[in-house]
Amino acid sequence: TQLLEQSPQFLSIQEGENLTVYCNSSSVFSSLQWYRQEPGEGPVLLVTVVTGGEVKKLKRLTFQFGDARKDSSLHITAAQPGDTGLYLCAGVRAGGTSYGKLTFGQGTILTVHP
Amino acid sequence: SAVISQKPSRDICQRGTSLTIQCQVDSQVTMMFWYRQQPGQSLTLIATANQGSEATYESGFVIDKFPISRPNLTFSTLTVSNLSPEDSSIYLCSVEDWDMGSSGANVLTFGAGSRLTVL
Repeated sequence: TQLLEQSPQFLSIQEGENLTVYCNSSSVFSSLQWYRQEPGEGPVLLVTVVTGGEVKKLKRLTFQFGDARKDSSLHITAAQPGDTGLYLCAGVRAGGTSYGKLTFGQGTILTVHP
Repeated sequence: SAVISQKPSRDICQRGTSLTIQCQVDSQVTMMFWYRQQPGQSLTLIATANQGSEATYESGFVIDKFPISRPNLTFSTLTVSNLSPEDSSIYLCSVEDWDMGSSGANVLTFGAGSRLTVL
């Protein structure tokens, strides 16, 4: 059983479209992080959300942490080919002691076609 | 944030041999983490490497298969032993870092990964 259920697993869209990626769990997390990974590179942190109900914006990306801190979403407005990559959500369960033991979702492979 | 150099970036190995991956960090860190990532998939933690003590392995990973060294606070190696095609993956090292924009929350910084193909 996956602790963090990430969906969709694959997303193929045209440039200019909007999209949302979801990360859900039955467990409470002290924080959730979103990473983006390009081929041949390691994952790079996009954002960390720590407060229930928190919304953070990073240019065309909007991240939300659920009120109960069990879920999160990533919304991209007007996607561009440069947004193509693997998006990973990751969290530390409430009470966890080491961020090295982040639990990762399955990942979403996003392809944005010009 | 920390800068991690990982090598080799990729290698092709024969079945039954071993590959050692090196991870160098530009600052001293307490814990270093080794992850495995199968193509197009998520990350699975192999072990946590602490300087001066044996690595702590996650369920499903054993020291005989994945021996780890941590000789100092800036360097670690992961060896994948007795290679089989099922070991073909990307292996990533990472360290805890500070997310300056988020109330001191700890995050992970990753190396670029080592892509292993076993024939």
